[in-house]
Amino acid sequence: DTAVSQTPKYLVTQMGNDKSIKCEQNLGHDTMYWYKQDSKKFLKIMFSYNNKELIINETVPNRFSPKSPDKAHLNLHINSLELGDSAVYFCASSRRASSSGNTIYFGEGSWLTVV
Amino acid sequence: AQSVTQLGSHVSVSEGALVLLRCNYSSSVPPYLFWYVQYPNQGLQLLLKYTTGATLVKGINGFEAEFKKSETSFHLTKPSAHMSDAAEYFCVLHPPNTGNQFYFGTGTSLTVIP
Repeated sequence: DTAVSQTPKYLVTQMGNDKSIKCEQNLGHDTMYWYKQDSKKFLKIMFSYNNKELIINETVPNRFSPKSPDKAHLNLHINSLELGDSAVYFCASSRRASSSGNTIYFGEGSWLTVV
Repeated sequence: AQSVTQLGSHVSVSEGALVLLRCNYSSSVPPYLFWYVQYPNQGLQLLLKYTTGATLVKGINGFEAEFKKSETSFHLTKPSAHMSDAAEYFCVLHPPNTGNQFYFGTGTSLTVIP
């Protein structure tokens, strides 16, 4: 079983469209994340949810909206897609912050290309 | 302030040679440190992590890293490179008991030359 799974893996869409990426984790973790990886492989945190509550919301356009229906799912919806949104989006999860530290587990990534 | 610096965005080694990927950190609290590997078109996979205890940690695929507090370093090494080691490597810092903040280095692309 895949610990953190996200769909779709590849997505090609036109500018102006709205698209969603779904993510599910079966690790029982309380915290889930969305990261964006640009063409230079740089990873940037976008959002973090802890038990369905938003705890990190970095400076991203309002066109990006995360939704967490339960603690095992964190979906990313993107409105009015722009060329600059082309990137790889990674979902990840970890246990809630603890003194023993956490390991963050990543999904396989969703390659978004906006044309 | 917390930060991670990976020295060298691209490293090339010959097959069979030593792999050394450098990571230095800055942290106001004793950090937990991780190395992740990303193979082409895949997600990030944990190689190894340091939390407390033994400063030399061993990971998967023959990699190891040593936490050196005096040098604020956590360099990744492997005695003998394989072609399959070609990938992107990320050093990550996680300050314990400070929430779920993870600080990523900018990555080092490892090329293995046959």
